[in-house]
Amino acid sequence: GAGVSQSPSNKVTEKGKDVELRCDPISGHTALYWYRQSLGQGLEFLIYFQGNSAPDKSGLPSDRFSAERTGGSVSTLTIQRTQQEDSAVYLCASSLVTTGGDEKLFFGSGTQLSVL
Amino acid sequence: SQQGEEDPQALSIQEGENATMNCSYKTSINNLQWYRQNSGRGLVHLILIRSNEREKHSGRLRVTLDTSKKSSSLLITASRAADTASYFCATDEGSARQLTFGSGTQLTVLP
Repeated sequence: GAGVSQSPSNKVTEKGKDVELRCDPISGHTALYWYRQSLGQGLEFLIYFQGNSAPDKSGLPSDRFSAERTGGSVSTLTIQRTQQEDSAVYLCASSLVTTGGDEKLFFGSGTQLSVL
Repeated sequence: SQQGEEDPQALSIQEGENATMNCSYKTSINNLQWYRQNSGRGLVHLILIRSNEREKHSGRLRVTLDTSKKSSSLLITASRAADTASYFCATDEGSARQLTFGSGTQLTVLP
């Protein structure tokens, strides 16, 4: 596709249920990021994938959060036993990796997660 | 933790005026980027400035970087109603690949 695609665009779930959020990055982009944004706030880094390297999971807020990236392309962010404080917009971004380290991120439109 | 912090949190101006937003950060960086966000959804990259650059222009945008003060500013000249959005600075922390975003400035341009 032409841009980063995220699905679903909106997800309403009940507390305690598991959810899966999907991100389809720009073709050829080897780096993929997940961020979380609460209402009116900045972006909180969650996890970073780069090629075949081990992902940087340092931003995941708890062990209820996990993510995988299959075949170096599509990524799935899974939240188990959702809590109300998980409600936020989950943003995915991808980028090319350059030797200069000046990657520009291309963002998807996000998934608005509401936990009731 | 937030690396970049924007100032002001909110800014309201008349169409045609200039808008200046500031960003401060804490540690050394390789580059600093500015992004724009409409309606709380995906961000769009605006401009990147490297640590060895002091000023950069792109259309109506002008970005400055002062590494001694660990601060950057984004100037939008001759603002338009369509510039209404949230603006975020983002920094890389040394060798870390992830970008750390600030809390943003909400800009409102009144027609």
